[in-house]
Amino acid sequence: AQSVTQLGSHVSVSEGALVLLRCNYSSSVPPYLFWYVQYPNQGLQLLLKYTTGATLVKGINGFEAEFKKSETSFHLTKPSAHMSDAAEYFCAVSGRSGNTPLVFGKGTRLSVIA
Amino acid sequence: GAVVSQHPSRVICKSGTSVKIECRSLDFQATTMFWYRQFPKQSLMLMATSNEGSKATYEQGVEKDKFLINHASLTLSTLTVTSAHPEDSSFYICSARDRDRGGYTFGSGTRLTVV
Repeated sequence: AQSVTQLGSHVSVSEGALVLLRCNYSSSVPPYLFWYVQYPNQGLQLLLKYTTGATLVKGINGFEAEFKKSETSFHLTKPSAHMSDAAEYFCAVSGRSGNTPLVFGKGTRLSVIA
Repeated sequence: GAVVSQHPSRVICKSGTSVKIECRSLDFQATTMFWYRQFPKQSLMLMATSNEGSKATYEQGVEKDKFLINHASLTLSTLTVTSAHPEDSSFYICSARDRDRGGYTFGSGTRLTVV
């Protein structure tokens, strides 16, 4: 079984400040890990994903995440927040076989203060 | 990149009627489609997994007779909410597994309001 825990349902940062959204996962098999962003009444947009290889993954819009197996974590960071980053962020985990669904965390709402 | 087209984006229906939501994979073959439901300010909850040409697998607590899923081709999967009630009002999102690229592509979602 797989699960995701996102620490903090709401994170508020000042514009230009570091963004850190935390994600811990549980998986009985080597996982694939994902971060998605969702704007109101829209679908999900993939920010980045980890499958294999380099543990520091760079995504779109300046976001990156580091897979730390020893800590079972996959935290999302961005050096400098923009107003346009305000949205809901979801961490997700899946298995590696073809028919396994994504399992989502509860989400973290990011607010950016001017 | 892979695209999943989901329609309609919004629908309002009366209690007791049925609503069909379509998801089409536009440039890849979606052998597996996942259907999620999202209530306001909550996460996405998996409702069912459908594989082309076979019956869908429903998650515990999801009524298969109420949420009919058809995956008749490699590019089209549909979810029909039958005899809709106000408590079915939600945001429904499909996700296709791209067999070749290995990733997940999401539709843009359907906001269902039952009045």
